[in-house]
Amino acid sequence: AAGVIQSPRHLIKEKRETATLKCYPIPRHDTVYWYQQGPGQDPQFLISFYEKMQSDKGSIPDRFSAQQFSDYHSELNMSSLELGDSALYFCASSATSGFDNEQFFGPGTRLTVL
Amino acid sequence: SQQGEEDPQALSIQEGENATMNCSYKTSINNLQWYRQNSGRGLVHLILIRSNEREKHSGRLRVTLDTSKKSSSLLITASRAADTASYFCATVYSNDYKLSFGAGTTVTVRA
Repeated sequence: AAGVIQSPRHLIKEKRETATLKCYPIPRHDTVYWYQQGPGQDPQFLISFYEKMQSDKGSIPDRFSAQQFSDYHSELNMSSLELGDSALYFCASSATSGFDNEQFFGPGTRLTVL
Repeated sequence: SQQGEEDPQALSIQEGENATMNCSYKTSINNLQWYRQNSGRGLVHLILIRSNEREKHSGRLRVTLDTSKKSSSLLITASRAADTASYFCATVYSNDYKLSFGAGTTVTVRA
């Protein structure tokens, strides 16, 4: 079965650079979530989209932005990167934005900021 | 952590033993989910239990939910070396959709 695809899997950037992470949800899933997991930390919710509209926002820095496109894939744009942005970034998708939705996670993008 | 606590933080057991970890949360939930994560890898969904359910089984996994105590437990029976991983509970609070994760329990199963 198709899973959530994230690209790239690994990314190394310098401080103050920009990065773009991509997420391709499972086909027919209309909701995408982004989570950030720092070293030794639990995943923290960043932002979500339902039917291409932002549906919820968590602890996402103003330097980050995201969108969901017409084909339902999503991109997380990160500017003015800081050392503290080094983390695993997970994308998850679900079939509906309902309460009982099961979120399927991608393999994550490991971002290292030097 | 956005939600509550998991305990223990770390657990080391012998292969074949059972492993139990607990999760507490703060406000009313719609459902609670358990995930496994191998070191630095992706999150694997294990089981979802709704707020109106008290117990759920999946293979060697047993999850309980006590909404009066705002707590859940995950039991892994007859553990195997391959069960070595971090286990996270995550809640979907009422009137919400996103997952709020606990701090996780690191389980090491010794062969």
